[in-house]
Amino acid sequence: TAGITQAPTSQILAAGRSMTLRCTQDMRHNAMYWYRQDLGLGLRLIHYSNTAGTTGKGEVPDGYSVSRANTDDFPLTLASAVPSQTSVYFCASRGGEGGDEQFFGPGTRLTVL
Amino acid sequence: GQNIDQPTEMTATEGAIVQINCTYQTSGFNGLFWYQQHAGEAPTFLSYNVLDGLEEKGRFSSFLSRSKGYSYLLLKELQMKDSASYLCAVMDSNYQLIWGAGTKLIIKP
Repeated sequence: TAGITQAPTSQILAAGRSMTLRCTQDMRHNAMYWYRQDLGLGLRLIHYSNTAGTTGKGEVPDGYSVSRANTDDFPLTLASAVPSQTSVYFCASRGGEGGDEQFFGPGTRLTVL
Repeated sequence: GQNIDQPTEMTATEGAIVQINCTYQTSGFNGLFWYQQHAGEAPTFLSYNVLDGLEEKGRFSSFLSRSKGYSYLLLKELQMKDSASYLCAVMDSNYQLIWGAGTKLIIKP
């Protein structure tokens, strides 16, 4: 079982360009999340989805959009990247019989220049 | 506002015991989680407390006092591989996780 996969592993992006970070899980979890992690700060929630077809805004949603067309995929799009979006992005999922813990993907390290 | 506080960094000796504290103020409470994160890797789940008291899982134990808004993670028989950041997170009334900034634990031989 792969769990959660993210792509790309890392990316350098010019400011003003758009980019989609991909996230796929094979655990049939209903809830999925996108976080960013910056040095000295806790994980901050960008967007979430409690089930396929629904999404919600987290703590820091500006400049990001998400979609949840099916259970497995939860892509995160930056429409016009800015340097402050330089961060490590983690996708996570929760659900099933395991309880309330969230399972994390390996992360995408994004640098916006 | 919502706030999770934990020490930025701690140092301990291999074979010893260390306690990492976490205090929280959140809108609602649906459980407290501890995660381990090695440098350059994703967080991995360690423990979950929703009722007051101590939960033991091998070398790791986690304690919760809801009335005090306080938890700690206790690591026994420290090993070099325990060098990592330990993240405290509270599930709020919307079932979202509010995260502390993490405690970097350095283990010395």
